[in-house]
Amino acid sequence: DAMVIQNPRYQVTQFGKPVTLSCSQTLNHNVMYWYQQKSSQAPKLLFHYYDKDFNNEADTPDNFQSRRPNTSFCFLDIRSPGLGDAAMYLCATRDREGDIQYFGAGTRLSVL
Amino acid sequence: GENVEQHPSTLSVQEGDSAVIKCTYSDSASNYFPWYKQELGKRPQLIIDIRSNVGEKKDQRIAVTLNKTAKHFSLHITETQPEDSAVYFCAASNTGGGADGLTFGKGTHLIIQP
Repeated sequence: DAMVIQNPRYQVTQFGKPVTLSCSQTLNHNVMYWYQQKSSQAPKLLFHYYDKDFNNEADTPDNFQSRRPNTSFCFLDIRSPGLGDAAMYLCATRDREGDIQYFGAGTRLSVL
Repeated sequence: GENVEQHPSTLSVQEGDSAVIKCTYSDSASNYFPWYKQELGKRPQLIIDIRSNVGEKKDQRIAVTLNKTAKHFSLHITETQPEDSAVYFCAASNTGGGADGLTFGKGTHLIIQP
């Protein structure tokens, strides 16, 4: 059974049109992460939540925002997508007492 | 912040031979070092991990070694099979004091030649 679920799996948006990606988890983990993975590159951390505490990476563009309304859900908002934001977006979770991160299947974002 | 270097970027080996991928990290506070296998269009899949209080770990055909002093760790795959062909990423994080995310190496494209 899927433990970290990302919706949608594929998302197409237009240049400059806001888009929201969602992630839900059934693991009750405290920590949730968003990574961006561009084609033929490694995943890159955008930000993470430790419970409700939001932690932004220093080089994450302001165009990217996140919300975590409760333990189970986390959203990635891209306010004005550019062509360079086309990528796979991966959500991951981790229990505060553990090390392992559990990845969702990802959302592949295309920007037209 | 943490910086992880990974080599080689592409590795081609004959089926049945061994493959070795090497990574170095910069932050001595990092204490957790996972290895991921990623097939095209799929999520990264954890294949093995090691914590900083351990020097070596083995799981069937896969082993990882860690040298904390030199800040490097390596993935060893023995008796390679065609299904081992994929991109492999090393990563590092500090899970002790907070919720640091993973810093990944740039990846190694492993090709198993039949």
